Parts: sequence; C-alpha cells; structure tokens
Amino acid sequence: AQTVTQSQPEMSVQEAETVTLSCTYDTSESDYYLFWYKQPPSRQMILVIRQEAYKQQNATENRFSVNFQKAAKSFSLKISDSQLGDAAMYFCAYRRLIGGADGLTFGKGTHLIIQP
Amino acid sequence: GAVVSQHPSRVICKSGTSVKIECRSLDFQATTMFWYRQFPKKSLMLMATSNEGSKATYEQGVEKDKFLINHASLTLSTLTVTSAHPEDSSFYICSARGPWGDTQYFGPGTRLTVL
Repeated sequence: AQTVTQSQPEMSVQEAETVTLSCTYDTSESDYYLFWYKQPPSRQMILVIRQEAYKQQNATENRFSVNFQKAAKSFSLKISDSQLGDAAMYFCAYRRLIGGADGLTFGKGTHLIIQP
Repeated sequence: GAVVSQHPSRVICKSGTSVKIECRSLDFQATTMFWYRQFPKKSLMLMATSNEGSKATYEQGVEKDKFLINHASLTLSTLTVTSAHPEDSSFYICSARGPWGDTQYFGPGTRLTVL
C-alpha cells in the first residue's frame, strides 16, 4: 500500500517570503500522480498543483512550484511571495496512474500560517 | 469548469436515523466519484469509490451496509449513512474524477452531527 508522509504539522512564514512544505511517499509503482491540495477554513479542497511521475520537469503554477525527486520519493511544495490568502492546511496526495483503485492517499497535512 | 456540489452542507440527526448526502458534478460527467471522511484536524480517508452503473468499491474497514453508495447517473452519487450513531459524526467530502481523467475535484463537504 502507498503511504504519504508530511513531517511538518505546522509551518509559519512572513508575508512575501518563501516557504517550502515537505512530502515524502512510499510506493512500488513507477508511474503515478502526485498532488498538493489546499484546504482553507471553509474546508473546500482546492487543487494547487499536480505532477505526473513520468515527467522529469517540475510542475509550476504561478507562485507555486514543486521539487519532485523521484528516486528519493520526495515531492515538496514551494510557495513564493506568500500571501495572507495562502493560509490553510496543505495536503500532499498520491494517486496510481493505472488500475481501478485510484482514490487519493493523503498525507496528514501541514498547517501553514502567514504572518503579516 | 469542473465544479462539484454537495447537499446538504450540514445536517444534524438523531441516533438511529438515516441520512442521505448528495454529490453532483455540475458541468461535467463523472463516471467515477469518491467519498472521503475527515475527522477534526485530521487528513482525508478514502471510504469508497463510486462507479456509475455498478457497485461501489469500499476500502478495508468501511462497512458497506452502513454507508450505502449509489451512483445512478453520470452526475450524481449519493452516500446514505444508515442507522447513524454519534461515532458517525464527521465531515464527509466527495470528489469526482474530472473529464480528463487524472484530477479529482472536490465538493465543499457535509458536516454530519449525530445526537
């Protein structure tokens, strides 16, 4: 079974600074998807960024980028120019690429605090 | 695009009653939907995968007779918590696999409180 580990229960960063959230995972498969989701106080899960494991290039979405290290099974999220609206729980998630069982496996989450 | 709704947003019921939660994909067809449960300050745990026109696939440890899932159309899946008890109180979130098949879009969740 796949597992996803987020070792930082809480992170704090000054507004406009850069912060990196860590995520590691364990799998025996070679192809899969990785995601970062954001859950603000409204509890609505919002997709931040996704990465296909077969792509070597790290995904980027505006101020959000990932550092995907496949051999190390590491998938960190970097948030540049942090804004107050970035404050939320951030969940790293894994999904198999093929096969019928493709529900997401989530890490325990990191609570991101933005200090004004 | 790729909007998923859930109804109701919150529900309070008495112990022993049944509660139905609806999950709809509003602007796309979803052959597969997923149901997750989230305890306070915890992560999301996959409960079951709902496939249109066929039986749901439940994760290990999830009681299929307690959590009935029906996926009758390409835009609607329902979760019925039967004979609810206080320990079933939780935040239930559905998601739908998007039209491109690789990303899940989440509903806003339903908070269930069983008295």
